[in-house]
Formats: sequence, C-alpha cells, structure tokens
Amino acid sequence: QVQLQESGPGLVKPSETLSLTCTVSGGSISGYYWSWIRQSPGKGLEWIGDIFYIGSTNYNPSLKSRATISLDTSKNQFSLNLTSVTAADTAVYFCARRVAGLYFFDYWGQGALVTVSS
Amino acid sequence: SYVLTQPPSVSVAPGKTATITCGGNNIGSEAVHWYQQKPGQAPVLVIHYDSDRPSGIPERFSGSNSGNTATLTISGVEAGDEADFYCQVWDSSSDHPVFGGGTRLTVL
Repeated sequence: QVQLQESGPGLVKPSETLSLTCTVSGGSISGYYWSWIRQSPGKGLEWIGDIFYIGSTNYNPSLKSRATISLDTSKNQFSLNLTSVTAADTAVYFCARRVAGLYFFDYWGQGALVTVSS
Repeated sequence: SYVLTQPPSVSVAPGKTATITCGGNNIGSEAVHWYQQKPGQAPVLVIHYDSDRPSGIPERFSGSNSGNTATLTISGVEAGDEADFYCQVWDSSSDHPVFGGGTRLTVL
C-alpha cells in the first residue's frame, strides 16, 4: 500500500522560506507525477505544482515563481520550497500522487500544517 | 483559467439521496473527478473520470457529467458520509488541475 508522509517545520517566519518533504513508501517514485497541494484554514484546495519522476516540473502561475519542487529518487522523497512567505501562505500542505496519463490524484499524504508568523 | 462552481452546502436526511453539483463552462466535455474530505483528514478520491469508482468506494457513490454540470450522487446517505466534497478537472490550457470550491454535506 502506497503511503505519503509530509515532514517539515510547522512554523515559519514571514519573508523566510517554507520547506517541506514528502516521503513515499510502499511504492516507487518512477512513473508518476508528484504534487504539492495546499488548503488554507477553512478554504478549498489549491494546487501548487508537481514534478515528474524524470525531474520536469510544472507550477501554478498564481505563486509567481516562489515555489520550487525537487526530487530525491535515492530516498524516495520530493520536496517543496516556497520563498518569501506571508501569513497568506499559512495552510495545510498535502503531497499527492498522480499516475502519468491520468488526471486525478490517487494517493495523498495526511497533510502538514504550516503557520507563517513572527 | 477554468472555473468550477459548487454549492457551499447540501443537507440530507439519513437514508435519502444527496446530489452535489459542479458547474463549469461545457464541463460535459471534461473529465471530472470527485474527492471526499472528512475533518482533519486528507481528501479521498471517490469518483474519477465522471463516473468510475476506485476500488473500495461503496456503490452508493455515483457520478454523471453533461452539458454545464457534473453531479455526484450519494444514495442511502449515512452519518459517516458527512464531509466536504470537491470536484476537479484538468485545465489543458494551463496544464494544471482546477478544484471546485467544495460542498459541505450535512447529514441531518
């Protein structure tokens, strides 16, 4: 059974960089797209971006180039860096898997709450 | 960017049928996917490609899509179905997913 687990600091100061890692267990990184999706308190879902297992990336333009997603296949992990954070970036951050050629998310992590505050 | 519109809330009595809609311009020509999110949990895929149920999802969950509206139907609603439901499509023009605003299903 594939499992995804987010990890990283739960508190980040304004203007600093938010960094999260998603560890994939029970399956391979290969053949899939790996996404970050966030949910602000009481709000809906917002896709941040994804990385294909060969390293190509795609981002939501609304984040204005602040997001970078990277992959470490040796550790079965992928990561998110979000720079210049503000209170508006406070959210639960989910990692999720998408099969190449399909356009939905079949496995999700449990989510990690990140609060931006001084 | 493609916009999906969902009603904020739907209420239904136990044992009855819940209908949750997702509106979008000519959404019938798109593939629609539905997720259920219970409080404090990650979303779970309940319907993909308009009407297909993933393994483990009860037959009570069904979907349809035509014209400008996609619909998630839950028959014989149970208290445990209470959750937020999100529809999702893939916006091919921007090459990224779009989610609806979500619908809170309340079981009376």
